[in-house]
Amino acid sequence: DAKTTQPNSMESNEEEPVHLPCNHSTISGTDYIHWYRQLPSQGPEYVIHGLTSNVNNRMASLAIAEDRKSSTLILHRATLRDAAVYYCILRPTYQGGSEKLVFGKGMKLTVNP
Amino acid sequence: DTGVSQDPRHKITKRGQNVTFRCDPISEHNRLYWYRQTLGQGPEFLTYFQNEAQLEKSRLLSDRFSAERPKGSFSTLEIQRTEQGDSAMYLCASSLQGQAYEQYFGPGTRLTVT
Repeated sequence: DAKTTQPNSMESNEEEPVHLPCNHSTISGTDYIHWYRQLPSQGPEYVIHGLTSNVNNRMASLAIAEDRKSSTLILHRATLRDAAVYYCILRPTYQGGSEKLVFGKGMKLTVNP
Repeated sequence: DTGVSQDPRHKITKRGQNVTFRCDPISEHNRLYWYRQTLGQGPEFLTYFQNEAQLEKSRLLSDRFSAERPKGSFSTLEIQRTEQGDSAMYLCASSLQGQAYEQYFGPGTRLTVT
């Protein structure tokens, strides 16, 4: 299973942008980059995913490096509700590939009021 | 659409007892997944179904664990002869078919084995 590397934790201030990095130097050409987050006492929640191009949705933006060996999840205005553990996950897309999610330890984001 | 639901939310059992958890996925999702999460760790994959067919099982799924999805709708996860090491949060997720689709997680069942 392809691996990702994230910092153990980050802190941000409320209403400021926050950039969450992820390294995935062994990514293959068929791997999607997925981000999930897990709020305290809840199941994980999908945030965003992408393959090569940068992606935006109502929750966040995903910036993918040109060589695809790293990506950055961007929360444009952090709120207290964004305090969670964030997981960067690679998912293969080839026919017959496993559809399981392989979670690492993730990165704990603290948002200060 | 009420999302993925799991029952019970909490279960305390004595070592050696059998326990069964239920997961009700989002109705139009044909994929259903089970994960286990211990404190301070990310979720670990256990098994997944396409409709009623169990397509993949993790090495973590010992012979004391069995999962079913008899009619391709709800699923059950049974643990026989529970051990203290089985204490964890058991998470269920569902999705549409395909690796690009996101998985929707339920709130989990927290199992404590005493």
